[in-house]
Amino acid sequence: KAGVTQTPRYLIKTRGQQVTLSCSPISGHRSVSWYQQTPGQGLQFLFEYFSETQRNKGNFPGRFSGRQFSNSRSEMNVSTLELGDSALYLCASSGGANMNTEAFFGQGTRLTVV
Amino acid sequence: AQSVAQPEDQVNVAEGNPLTVKCTYSVSGNPYLFWYVQYPNRGLQFLLKYITGDNLVKGSYGFEAEFNKSQTSFHLKKPSALVSDSALYFCAVRSPYDKIIFGKGTRLHILP
Repeated sequence: KAGVTQTPRYLIKTRGQQVTLSCSPISGHRSVSWYQQTPGQGLQFLFEYFSETQRNKGNFPGRFSGRQFSNSRSEMNVSTLELGDSALYLCASSGGANMNTEAFFGQGTRLTVV
Repeated sequence: AQSVAQPEDQVNVAEGNPLTVKCTYSVSGNPYLFWYVQYPNRGLQFLLKYITGDNLVKGSYGFEAEFNKSQTSFHLKKPSALVSDSALYFCAVRSPYDKIIFGKGTRLHILP
């Protein structure tokens, strides 16, 4: 079974631009969540989707948004990029509807804002 | 509000010695607790979780963790460390119907 696939793996953007990151979950998984990882802040939860509905949201500004499609694939968008948005963005999928199901992570998209 | 703390940024252990990576949490209600490991340039991998039942949970690669409700802790342990265990370890907690919270991570160095 293929794992969680994130595209692109690396991205360089200019301050003020917007960016869209993509995540394909493990086949059959209906829950997708997104995280921002930085050396200083660790791993911070962005949002979680289940069957196209946002189930939880982290404490990020409205510039960060996401969505999930009917095939469970997910995208996250960051508008008006700031230097501080440079990070590794991780996507994870899980197979159950319950909150106690473990997540399977992709390798991430490393975003650099210059 | 939920929170999780990993009090040590780094832990150094000699190969063959037992290791412990500490995690404490604060959550209302009964928590779901997780440990994940991150190897260089890779995503996180699930190690083990506590949902309910036996306080001692066994996971992948010989790791185990003990849920201690009175001390609100969920420390990760392994009886005999391997150099290949060197990685970044994350503890995570969530209560039912709420978002997951990760600790800041503990870098584990196993010295040959």
